[in-house]
Amino acid sequence: DIQMTQSPSSLSASVGDRVTITCQASQDISNYLNWYQQKPGKAPKLLIYDASNLETGVPSRFSGSGSGTDFTFTISSLQPEDIATYYCQQYDNLSYTFGQGTKLEIK
Amino acid sequence: QVQLVQSGAEVKKPGASVKVSCKASGYTFTSYDINWVRQATGQGLEWMGWMNPNSGNTGYAQKFQGRVTMTRNTSISTAYMELSSLRSEDTAVYYCARATFNWFDPWGQGTLVTVSS
Repeated sequence: DIQMTQSPSSLSASVGDRVTITCQASQDISNYLNWYQQKPGKAPKLLIYDASNLETGVPSRFSGSGSGTDFTFTISSLQPEDIATYYCQQYDNLSYTFGQGTKLEIK
Repeated sequence: QVQLVQSGAEVKKPGASVKVSCKASGYTFTSYDINWVRQATGQGLEWMGWMNPNSGNTGYAQKFQGRVTMTRNTSISTAYMELSSLRSEDTAVYYCARATFNWFDPWGQGTLVTVSS
């Protein structure tokens, strides 16, 4: 099974900061990498699919990049409503794996 | 709008089974796989498996093989996830999610399953 290593596990940043989260796959997954946002008590919400495609309705301050084994998720200017936990998720051969999550807090 | 609505919270004793439902609306139920993901309190997301509502074919994460069964009733656009031989470590919120290609959207609201003697 493919393992996903997501870092950092937690992050504290100020409003307006640029925030970056990384996810590394244990083997090549092409661009089959998605990013989700989860707020407390809520279901996860899709933000980015296929590594770099912004889901409809998601603010353009969110972006993703990468392919193969190394992927990056970026918030260009952190807003108070972005406080949440973020997860990467990979797909390979009819199997899925999530990263461990990154809890984002406001400094 | 596309929506998945799950059944309510459950409390089960160790060794029992639980069956969670996920009713789809706003799209053709048989056209998209349904996946199940669980989340223990304060923990991350754990993928459990997928089901193709058209064929009934399933694929389960190795961890749950032999304990989980995913089924569906196409006449009422509802998917089911049954987990047997419950133990305390199975206490979690269970989510269903529609798969489009390789991503999950939307998700159900979640069902809390508590396993306690």
